[in-house]
Amino acid sequence: GENVEQHPSTLSVQEGDSAVIKCTYSDSASNYFPWYKQELGKRPQLIIDIRSNVGEKKDQRIAVTLNKTAKHFSLHITETQPEDSAVYFCAASETNQAGTALIFGKGTTLSVSS
Amino acid sequence: NAGVMQNPRHLVRRRGQEARLRCSPVKGHSHVYWYRQLPEEGLKFMVYLQKENIIDESGMPKERFSAEFPKEGPSILRIQQVVRGDSAAYFCASSPPNQNYGYTFGSGTRLTVV
Repeated sequence: GENVEQHPSTLSVQEGDSAVIKCTYSDSASNYFPWYKQELGKRPQLIIDIRSNVGEKKDQRIAVTLNKTAKHFSLHITETQPEDSAVYFCAASETNQAGTALIFGKGTTLSVSS
Repeated sequence: NAGVMQNPRHLVRRRGQEARLRCSPVKGHSHVYWYRQLPEEGLKFMVYLQKENIIDESGMPKERFSAEFPKEGPSILRIQQVVRGDSAAYFCASSPPNQNYGYTFGSGTRLTVV
């Protein structure tokens, strides 16, 4: 089955800096890669996702890149703000089959100090 | 659209009791997923259900845990004879028919076993 590794486990940046979180996956059949943000005591919320037919996707200060050959994908947050502080999870799944669920990495705790 | 509703939000059980966690998916969603989140850890997949069917239960412990998603009513995750190690946050997510991506998560049930 799928295995997702996520690094780093913690990341501290100054406000305005960029933050990068990296994930690798094991199942070459995976074709869907979302990122979730979870604030303390709250539910995970989807912030951006990418499919395997796309190499990069951007939404304002957030971007995700995917390298299918190397089986890794990354989240980039530019101009970080204190409200970006949260735990970020990457995930992977194969969406062509109805019987697969998202497999998550262990999360990255991002702290943005002002 | 009320989103994914989980109840109770907090549940305290004594060792040996049963815990029942409920999840009502987004209206119109037919796929339900249960995840367990331990402190400082990621979202660990437990089980994936469609109406009246278990699609993938590869993440469920072999004993004491069961899940169902009946034709009518919410999905139920049942933990029998709870032990302290079962203390965790249990999140449910749902996705639309024929689409095992784009999850919406509930707010979770925080189970504490004393």
